Amino acid sequence: SYVLTQPPSVSVAPGKTARITCGGDNIGSKSVHWYQQKPGQAPVLVIYYDGDRPSGIPERFSGSNSGNTATLTISRVEAGDEADYYCQVWDSITYHRVFGGGTKLTVL
Amino acid sequence: EVQLVESGGGLVQPGGSLRLSCAASGFTFSSFEMNWVRQAPGKGLEWVSYISNSGSTIYYADSVKGRFTSSRDNAKNSLYLQMNSLRPEETAVYYCAREGGWRDFQHWGQGTLVTVSS
Repeated sequence: SYVLTQPPSVSVAPGKTARITCGGDNIGSKSVHWYQQKPGQAPVLVIYYDGDRPSGIPERFSGSNSGNTATLTISRVEAGDEADYYCQVWDSITYHRVFGGGTKLTVL
Repeated sequence: EVQLVESGGGLVQPGGSLRLSCAASGFTFSSFEMNWVRQAPGKGLEWVSYISNSGSTIYYADSVKGRFTSSRDNAKNSLYLQMNSLRPEETAVYYCAREGGWRDFQHWGQGTLVTVSS
């Protein structure tokens, strides 16, 4: 089955840029989606189709995808961005949906 | 406004059964594919099941195949997950999620907690 690998944690100072990676075999050929989850809350879609933002998501959130790595970039990080972030793809071989293990973003 | 409300969670003994429901509103339920996703305490997200808009196509994670059954009633705007032979490690919050055109999860419910314990 397809596997997505994320770093367990990323730390960043307020106002700086955070980058969260999601690794997978030839992930650049897939559409990658990103979710933000704050404690006690349901996940929220923040990036879909590699780099598109749903309505209501700040422009500070962006995404890219190439080769074996997809990246979620959060510019001008704010304290309110502290959360767990998950990447997700659709596996076209098994038709399964697959999540990465998640990355805890800490704002210093 | 899209709303998804899960119900049916609770405490069940190992080997027992439980049926979860997800009530949908604010959109044309019969037009959208739906999923179940779960999250064990302190752990990450795990996809459980997909069901097509008509209910004719269903996929399951390997970990639940043969024990869980996903279904829907478009007339009642409802999604269901029948869970049999439950295991302690399946203690989790179970979410229903509406799928988008890119196989993303556009909208999520607030989840219902299932606890498998004796």
